[in-house]
Amino acid sequence: GDSVTQMEGPVTLSEEAFLTINCTYTATGYPSLFWYVQYPGEGLQLLLKATKADDKGSNKGFEATYRKETTSFHLEKGSVQVSDSAVYFCALSRGGNDMRFGAGTRLTVKP
Amino acid sequence: GAVVSQHPSWVICKSGTSVKIECRSLDFQATTMFWYRQFPKQSLMLMATSNEGSKATYEQGVEKDKFLINHASLTLSTLTVTSAHPEDSSFYICSARRDGTRNYGYTFGSGTRLTVV
Repeated sequence: GDSVTQMEGPVTLSEEAFLTINCTYTATGYPSLFWYVQYPGEGLQLLLKATKADDKGSNKGFEATYRKETTSFHLEKGSVQVSDSAVYFCALSRGGNDMRFGAGTRLTVKP
Repeated sequence: GAVVSQHPSWVICKSGTSVKIECRSLDFQATTMFWYRQFPKQSLMLMATSNEGSKATYEQGVEKDKFLINHASLTLSTLTVTSAHPEDSSFYICSARRDGTRNYGYTFGSGTRLTVV
């Protein structure tokens, strides 16, 4: 079945450091891929998405490229801020069905 | 943009009582909504898919008699935890898929933290 494997955390970075959170997936066909962010005590917010191969999703300085050849959708940001501290979830969805989530990666950014 | 309101945001109940959680799409219609459960520091686990006007589809291992889902309108789904026990304490999150969309992601509610004492 469909699954998402996400880099385990926690990840601790200093402010302005470069961030990469790895995500790979297993799915038949051509799923859509997503990154969600969850701040403490809150629900999930869509951070970015890509619906087909080679698409690049971007938002708030975060980027991820849909790589079908490596079945990956790694999240990157060039310079993280303290306010980026949160849990990040990689997810996929096929054909409008429910979403499958990775385990989540907790990011802490220190000033 | 699409907004999903989930209520209450937190609730404490006594063991043996029932708790109802509402998930409401405020500015769009959602024939399909999803209910997830999240344990501390873990990912979201799909519990069930809620379909307006029909029975919910439960994931394997989820007790349908314990977690009652009602999706009576295109904008409202409810999850009732019946005869709650401390092991039901968790963070419950709903999501809604806007009708007419397929792969554009879902809108999530802000979650409900249930504590059973």
